[in-house]
Amino acid sequence: AQSVTQLGSHVSVSEGALVLLRCNYSSSVPPYLFWYVQYPNQGLQLLLKYTSAATLVKGINGFEAEFKKSETSFHLTKPSAHMSDAAEYFCAVTQTDFNKFYFGSGTKLNVKP
Amino acid sequence: DAGITQSPRYKITETGRQVTLMCHQTWSHSYMFWYRQDLGHGLRLIYYSAAADITDKGEVPDGYVVSRSKTENFPLTLESATRSQTSVYFCASSESNRHSTRHGYTFGSGTRLTVV
Repeated sequence: AQSVTQLGSHVSVSEGALVLLRCNYSSSVPPYLFWYVQYPNQGLQLLLKYTSAATLVKGINGFEAEFKKSETSFHLTKPSAHMSDAAEYFCAVTQTDFNKFYFGSGTKLNVKP
Repeated sequence: DAGITQSPRYKITETGRQVTLMCHQTWSHSYMFWYRQDLGHGLRLIYYSAAADITDKGEVPDGYVVSRSKTENFPLTLESATRSQTSVYFCASSESNRHSTRHGYTFGSGTRLTVV
Protein backbone atom coordinates (compact mmCIF):
# COMPACT_ATOMS: atom_id res chain seq x y z
CA ALA A 1 0.00 0.00 0.00
CA GLN A 2 1.13 3.51 -0.70
CA SER A 3 0.34 6.78 1.00
CA VAL A 4 1.61 10.29 1.35
CA THR A 5 1.56 12.56 4.38
CA GLN A 6 2.07 16.27 4.09
CA LEU A 7 2.80 17.91 7.41
CA GLY A 8 1.13 21.29 7.77
CA SER A 9 -1.95 22.20 5.77
CA HIS A 10 -0.87 25.87 5.82
CA VAL A 11 2.62 27.32 5.75
CA SER A 12 3.34 31.04 5.88
CA VAL A 13 6.71 32.59 5.07
CA SER A 14 7.99 36.08 4.40
CA GLU A 15 9.13 37.06 0.95
CA GLY A 16 12.80 36.15 0.60
CA ALA A 17 12.68 33.50 3.32
CA LEU A 18 13.32 29.80 2.94
CA VAL A 19 10.39 27.65 1.87
CA LEU A 20 10.17 24.13 3.31
CA LEU A 21 7.16 21.94 2.59
CA ARG A 22 7.25 18.49 4.11
CA CYS A 23 6.26 15.21 2.51
CA ASN A 24 6.65 11.70 3.90
CA TYR A 25 5.63 8.61 2.00
CA SER A 26 5.07 4.97 2.60
CA SER A 27 5.62 2.47 -0.13
CA SER A 28 6.43 -1.21 -0.17
CA VAL A 29 8.56 -0.85 -3.28
CA PRO A 30 10.86 1.89 -4.56
CA PRO A 31 8.62 4.81 -5.34
CA TYR A 32 8.37 7.54 -7.89
CA LEU A 33 7.66 10.83 -6.13
CA PHE A 34 6.26 14.06 -7.46
CA TRP A 35 5.45 17.56 -6.37
CA TYR A 36 2.61 19.42 -8.05
CA VAL A 37 1.59 23.06 -7.67
CA GLN A 38 -1.93 24.41 -7.97
CA TYR A 39 -2.59 28.11 -8.41
CA PRO A 40 -6.05 29.43 -7.57
CA ASN A 41 -8.78 28.19 -9.90
CA GLN A 42 -6.34 26.18 -11.97
CA GLY A 43 -5.39 22.54 -12.43
CA LEU A 44 -2.25 20.94 -11.08
CA GLN A 45 1.11 21.52 -12.72
CA LEU A 46 4.11 19.26 -12.34
CA LEU A 47 6.83 20.99 -10.33
CA LEU A 48 9.41 18.23 -10.12
CA LYS A 49 9.79 14.47 -9.90
CA TYR A 50 12.04 11.79 -8.47
CA THR A 51 12.35 8.66 -10.59
CA SER A 52 15.33 6.80 -9.07
CA ALA A 53 18.07 8.88 -10.61
CA ALA A 54 19.70 11.71 -8.61
CA THR A 55 18.30 12.05 -5.12
CA LEU A 56 18.37 15.85 -5.30
CA VAL A 57 15.86 16.92 -7.87
CA LYS A 58 15.58 20.40 -9.31
CA GLY A 59 12.27 21.66 -10.63
CA ILE A 60 10.77 24.75 -12.09
CA ASN A 61 10.69 28.19 -10.45
CA GLY A 62 13.74 27.49 -8.28
CA PHE A 63 12.21 24.64 -6.30
CA GLU A 64 14.07 21.48 -5.44
CA ALA A 65 13.43 18.35 -3.40
CA GLU A 66 15.64 15.67 -1.91
CA PHE A 67 14.69 12.02 -1.76
CA LYS A 68 15.83 10.52 1.56
CA LYS A 69 15.09 6.83 1.67
CA SER A 70 16.17 6.42 5.30
CA GLU A 71 13.66 9.06 6.35
CA THR A 72 11.02 8.16 3.71
CA SER A 73 10.84 11.83 2.93
CA PHE A 74 10.70 14.05 -0.14
CA HIS A 75 10.60 17.59 1.23
CA LEU A 76 10.24 20.55 -1.12
CA THR A 77 12.46 23.59 -0.65
CA LYS A 78 13.19 26.95 -2.20
CA PRO A 79 15.91 29.22 -0.85
CA SER A 80 14.04 32.48 -1.29
CA ALA A 81 10.26 32.77 -1.47
CA HIS A 82 8.60 35.02 -3.99
CA MET A 83 5.07 36.38 -3.85
CA SER A 84 4.23 34.39 -6.96
CA ASP A 85 4.97 31.15 -5.07
CA ALA A 86 1.72 31.50 -3.12
CA ALA A 87 -0.24 28.40 -4.12
CA GLU A 88 -1.19 24.95 -2.92
CA TYR A 89 1.40 22.21 -3.21
CA PHE A 90 0.71 18.50 -3.46
CA CYS A 91 3.08 15.62 -2.98
CA ALA A 92 2.26 12.38 -4.84
CA VAL A 93 3.64 8.85 -4.94
CA THR A 94 3.38 5.98 -7.37
CA GLN A 95 5.25 2.82 -8.21
CA THR A 96 7.29 2.08 -11.31
CA ASP A 97 4.83 -0.25 -13.00
CA PHE A 98 1.71 1.25 -11.61
CA ASN A 99 -0.13 4.08 -13.18
CA LYS A 100 -2.15 5.30 -10.19
CA PHE A 101 -0.94 8.20 -8.13
CA TYR A 102 -1.68 8.80 -4.47
CA PHE A 103 -1.76 12.42 -3.41
CA GLY A 104 -1.19 14.07 -0.08
CA SER A 105 -3.81 16.41 1.33
CA GLY A 106 -1.93 19.48 0.18
CA THR A 107 -0.11 22.41 1.78
CA LYS A 108 -1.17 25.98 1.14
CA LEU A 109 1.80 28.31 0.98
CA ASN A 110 1.22 31.94 1.91
CA VAL A 111 3.98 34.45 1.17
CA LYS A 112 3.92 37.67 3.18
CA PRO A 113 5.40 40.90 1.84
CA ASP B 1 -5.72 23.63 -28.93
CA ALA B 2 -3.92 20.47 -27.92
CA GLY B 3 -4.20 19.41 -24.33
CA ILE B 4 -6.75 18.20 -21.87
CA THR B 5 -10.06 20.04 -21.68
CA GLN B 6 -12.77 19.79 -19.08
CA SER B 7 -16.28 21.10 -19.41
CA PRO B 8 -18.13 22.80 -17.94
CA ARG B 9 -15.82 24.85 -15.70
CA TYR B 10 -18.64 25.55 -13.28
CA LYS B 11 -21.91 23.71 -12.71
CA ILE B 12 -24.73 24.07 -10.23
CA THR B 13 -27.25 21.26 -10.08
CA GLU B 14 -30.02 20.09 -7.80
CA THR B 15 -30.01 17.04 -5.58
CA GLY B 16 -31.22 13.98 -7.44
CA ARG B 17 -30.40 15.23 -10.92
CA GLN B 18 -28.07 13.48 -13.29
CA VAL B 19 -25.04 15.47 -14.38
CA THR B 20 -22.16 14.60 -16.69
CA LEU B 21 -18.72 16.14 -16.57
CA MET B 22 -16.74 15.97 -19.78
CA CYS B 23 -13.04 15.38 -20.30
CA HIS B 24 -11.28 15.42 -23.66
CA GLN B 25 -7.58 14.96 -24.40
CA THR B 26 -5.73 15.33 -27.69
CA TRP B 27 -2.53 13.39 -26.97
CA SER B 28 -3.97 9.89 -27.44
CA HIS B 29 -2.86 9.04 -23.93
CA SER B 30 -4.02 5.59 -22.94
CA TYR B 31 -4.64 6.32 -19.28
CA MET B 32 -7.24 8.77 -18.03
CA PHE B 33 -8.31 9.53 -14.49
CA TRP B 34 -10.97 11.35 -12.53
CA TYR B 35 -10.15 12.88 -9.16
CA ARG B 36 -12.18 14.93 -6.76
CA GLN B 37 -10.57 17.59 -4.62
CA ASP B 38 -12.01 18.42 -1.23
CA LEU B 39 -10.64 20.52 1.59
CA GLY B 40 -8.57 18.39 3.92
CA HIS B 41 -8.63 15.35 1.65
CA GLY B 42 -6.38 16.42 -1.19
CA LEU B 43 -7.15 14.57 -4.40
CA ARG B 44 -8.96 11.26 -4.28
CA LEU B 45 -9.21 8.94 -7.25
CA ILE B 46 -12.77 8.22 -8.39
CA TYR B 47 -12.26 6.12 -11.52
CA TYR B 48 -9.58 5.49 -14.04
CA SER B 49 -9.28 3.97 -17.47
CA ALA B 50 -6.32 2.16 -18.99
CA ALA B 51 -7.70 2.27 -22.54
CA ALA B 52 -10.93 2.56 -24.47
CA ASP B 53 -13.59 0.28 -22.98
CA ILE B 54 -11.43 -0.48 -19.93
CA THR B 55 -12.33 1.26 -16.69
CA ASP B 56 -11.75 0.54 -13.02
CA LYS B 57 -12.72 1.92 -9.65
CA GLY B 58 -10.53 4.15 -7.56
CA GLU B 59 -10.81 5.08 -3.90
CA VAL B 60 -14.23 6.79 -3.96
CA PRO B 61 -16.33 5.40 -6.86
CA ASP B 62 -19.76 5.24 -5.20
CA GLY B 63 -22.34 7.43 -6.90
CA TYR B 64 -20.32 7.84 -10.08
CA VAL B 65 -20.35 6.16 -13.46
CA VAL B 66 -17.77 6.43 -16.23
CA SER B 67 -17.48 5.29 -19.80
CA ARG B 68 -14.73 5.35 -22.38
CA SER B 69 -15.95 4.51 -25.85
CA LYS B 70 -13.22 6.63 -27.46
CA THR B 71 -9.62 7.05 -26.33
CA GLU B 72 -9.88 10.83 -26.22
CA ASN B 73 -13.03 11.13 -24.09
CA PHE B 74 -13.67 10.08 -20.51
CA PRO B 75 -16.98 11.44 -19.20
CA LEU B 76 -17.93 11.21 -15.53
CA THR B 77 -21.63 10.93 -14.66
CA LEU B 78 -23.27 11.51 -11.34
CA GLU B 79 -26.44 9.48 -11.73
CA SER B 80 -28.32 11.12 -8.85
CA ALA B 81 -26.34 14.01 -7.44
CA THR B 82 -26.03 14.46 -3.69
CA ARG B 83 -24.73 17.41 -1.68
CA SER B 84 -21.71 15.34 -0.62
CA GLN B 85 -20.65 15.33 -4.26
CA THR B 86 -20.12 19.08 -4.20
CA SER B 87 -16.45 19.28 -5.07
CA VAL B 88 -13.88 20.25 -7.65
CA TYR B 89 -13.35 17.49 -10.19
CA PHE B 90 -10.11 17.05 -12.09
CA CYS B 91 -9.48 14.90 -15.10
CA ALA B 92 -5.94 13.75 -15.87
CA SER B 93 -4.20 11.66 -18.49
CA SER B 94 -0.89 9.86 -18.92
CA GLU B 95 0.87 7.61 -21.39
CA SER B 96 0.54 3.88 -21.27
CA ASN B 97 3.90 2.27 -20.81
CA ARG B 98 5.74 1.65 -17.56
CA HIS B 99 8.31 4.30 -18.31
CA SER B 100 5.62 6.90 -18.71
CA THR B 101 4.78 6.73 -15.04
CA ARG B 102 7.86 8.79 -14.39
CA HIS B 103 6.39 11.65 -16.41
CA GLY B 104 3.47 12.16 -14.14
CA TYR B 105 -0.02 13.20 -15.04
CA THR B 106 -1.31 16.08 -17.12
CA PHE B 107 -4.31 17.69 -15.48
CA GLY B 108 -7.28 19.56 -16.82
CA SER B 109 -8.34 22.88 -15.30
CA GLY B 110 -11.11 21.31 -13.26
CA THR B 111 -14.89 21.51 -12.94
CA ARG B 112 -16.35 23.12 -9.85
CA LEU B 113 -19.62 21.32 -9.12
CA THR B 114 -22.13 22.54 -6.57
CA VAL B 115 -25.09 20.37 -5.65
CA VAL B 116 -27.89 22.31 -3.96
